[in-house]
Amino acid sequence: EAGVVQSPRYKIIEKKQPVAFWCNPISGHNTLYWYRQNLGQGPELLIRYENEEAVDDSQLPKDRFSAERLKGVDSTLKIQPAELGDSAVYLCASSTRDGGGYTFGSGTRLTVV
Amino acid sequence: AQSVTQPDIHITVSEGASLELRCNYSYGATPYLFWYVQSPGQGLQLLLKYFSGDTLVQGIKGFEAEFKRSQSSFNLRKPSVHWSDAAEYFCAVGVETSYDKVIFGPGTSLSVIP
Repeated sequence: EAGVVQSPRYKIIEKKQPVAFWCNPISGHNTLYWYRQNLGQGPELLIRYENEEAVDDSQLPKDRFSAERLKGVDSTLKIQPAELGDSAVYLCASSTRDGGGYTFGSGTRLTVV
Repeated sequence: AQSVTQPDIHITVSEGASLELRCNYSYGATPYLFWYVQSPGQGLQLLLKYFSGDTLVQGIKGFEAEFKRSQSSFNLRKPSVHWSDAAEYFCAVGVETSYDKVIFGPGTSLSVIP
């Protein structure tokens, strides 16, 4: 079974530029998560999808962050414009609703200069 | 609100020695509890989880964890550490009895001396 696929693995951009991250979850996993992990810290939830519906986006900075999950499969997370403080690893995860735990992708390491 | 603390930022053990990583949570009822491992440059991998029942939980890679309600703890153990166990370990708790929304602790970095 293919795991959660994220791209790109690394991204370096200048501040005020836009950036987008892509995630393809495990087939059949209805729940998709985007997490942000700052250096030396645990992941923090940005947004959770159930199929194509964003059911928890309370931690998403909506002034600059946006996300979509068209057709309830792939998802894209966008930052526009990026700030220096956005430098982090952005992790995508997916799960079923049986409490089996999350499967994480390898993440995208974003560096804003 | 629920929270998770991992008192040890960094631990160093010798290969073959036993390991215990501490995790404490704040929640009134019985929570959903998880341990994840993250190798450098990788995503997180689920080691084990506790929802209910037997308080001693077996996981992958020879790890186990014990839920102690009286101490609000869910410590991770391994009897004999291998060099490949060097990684970052995260304890996590399900929010509001949900396993769909999880709060992660700050992590414990494990180094293994050959």
